[in-house]
Amino acid sequence: GAVVSQHPSWVICKSGTSVKIECRSLDFQATTMFWYRQFPKQSLMLMATSNEGSKATYEQGVEKDKFLINHASLTLSTLTVTSAHPEDSSFYICSARDETNTQYFGPGTRLTVL
Amino acid sequence: AQSVAQPEDQVNVAEGNPLTVKCTYSVSGNPYLFWYVQYPNRGLQFLLKYITGDNLVKGSYGFEAEFNKSQTSFHLKKPSALVSDSALYFCAVREYSSASKIIFGSGTRLSIRP
Repeated sequence: GAVVSQHPSWVICKSGTSVKIECRSLDFQATTMFWYRQFPKQSLMLMATSNEGSKATYEQGVEKDKFLINHASLTLSTLTVTSAHPEDSSFYICSARDETNTQYFGPGTRLTVL
Repeated sequence: AQSVAQPEDQVNVAEGNPLTVKCTYSVSGNPYLFWYVQYPNRGLQFLLKYITGDNLVKGSYGFEAEFNKSQTSFHLKKPSALVSDSALYFCAVREYSSASKIIFGSGTRLSIRP
């Protein structure tokens, strides 16, 4: 099946720094990618929808200036958590949709902000 | 608005017995339906999907699901459970429109005892 990779798989940073997470579709092109956040023992919360070559669409309550999304190519989307704080600590998961409208998910990135 | 419900937080099954994880959905148009599995500290793995065609869909690891339009259900099943099937399972729905977002259920934790 289709493979989506994420890098890094985990990151620890100091409060106030910025962290970039990469999401790549390895064997298919994805015009649409998604970024989710998952809290312990909860379902996935959609943060934003990223379309190649255009601005991301953010869900209500998600700060677009804090969570910068760039979808520069059909295989790469990045999420940058700017000026991270401890409350941003979470499990971030990206997803890419293929031409059959199936979403494939990356392995996730565990962010810990000290 | 679309929604999906997983009525059971946890399902416990003895190894070798059949298992069922329930899912019901609500959409205004034709649904795309998905099942994903999540292992600890990992992203979601795609199991199977229903878009059109046969109501019984076969997926990875011996899982299958049956689309029932009249009951608006898409229950996940497996004839003989394995201990390694223990994980968190998410049902998801998306409307046919290309602009629609995938909506996840709250998740069901499947525990298979030896």
